[in-house]
Amino acid sequence: GESVGLHLPTLSVQEGDNSIINCAYSNSASDYFIWYKQESGKGPQFIIDIRSNMDKRQGQRVTVLLNKTVKHLSLQIAATQPGDSAVYFCAENIDQAGTALIFGKGTTLSVSS
Amino acid sequence: NAGVTQTPKFQVLKTGQSMTLQCAQDMNHNSMYWYRQDPGMGLRLIYYSASEGTTDKGEVPNGYNVSRLNKREFSLRLESAAPSQTSVYFCASSLPTGGDGELFFGEGSRLTVL
Repeated sequence: GESVGLHLPTLSVQEGDNSIINCAYSNSASDYFIWYKQESGKGPQFIIDIRSNMDKRQGQRVTVLLNKTVKHLSLQIAATQPGDSAVYFCAENIDQAGTALIFGKGTTLSVSS
Repeated sequence: NAGVTQTPKFQVLKTGQSMTLQCAQDMNHNSMYWYRQDPGMGLRLIYYSASEGTTDKGEVPNGYNVSRLNKREFSLRLESAAPSQTSVYFCASSLPTGGDGELFFGEGSRLTVL
């Protein structure tokens, strides 16, 4: 599988590899995080979320890991497929009243066959 | 089920012109949002409405106004468009009162200001 450092804008992988997309968040008080996928010409779509009282959450082929000590979030995609090619955004809830999400700059994932 | 619908999908304006982007959701969501997306900048929050009758500024509110017309509709107005407002605008909604939940996005409105 592939792993990337923080804030890399692009990631290229081969079909079948595991992908890891990283994100650093800004507010240590943030208590809710979401990963979104955006395909070309479309609006973002929800992938998976995690609350700050958890370290890990799994979905179908995706896992989100949260490290509150270093304010780091990662999205792992197992057995990456061409249909996974998209821009991936992490988002944090920075408002303690829970009123809005703030998005990171995104990572473009390219999957080749 | 239409979800979140934005109009228009494309618009070209001249500097100084005004226009309103319309957004409607049919999911009975409480909260609605306007984001703009620029290359390399990700999504930035312009304004949001946590519930009907309330609106609040986000990260980049300058040059915009919003109206939460009713529970379904949330419009974004540019009173005097500037080239810096060239962007793709996304409307979103969520069920809970607040950002603690999944956002559902529209397809986007591409605005060019000449």
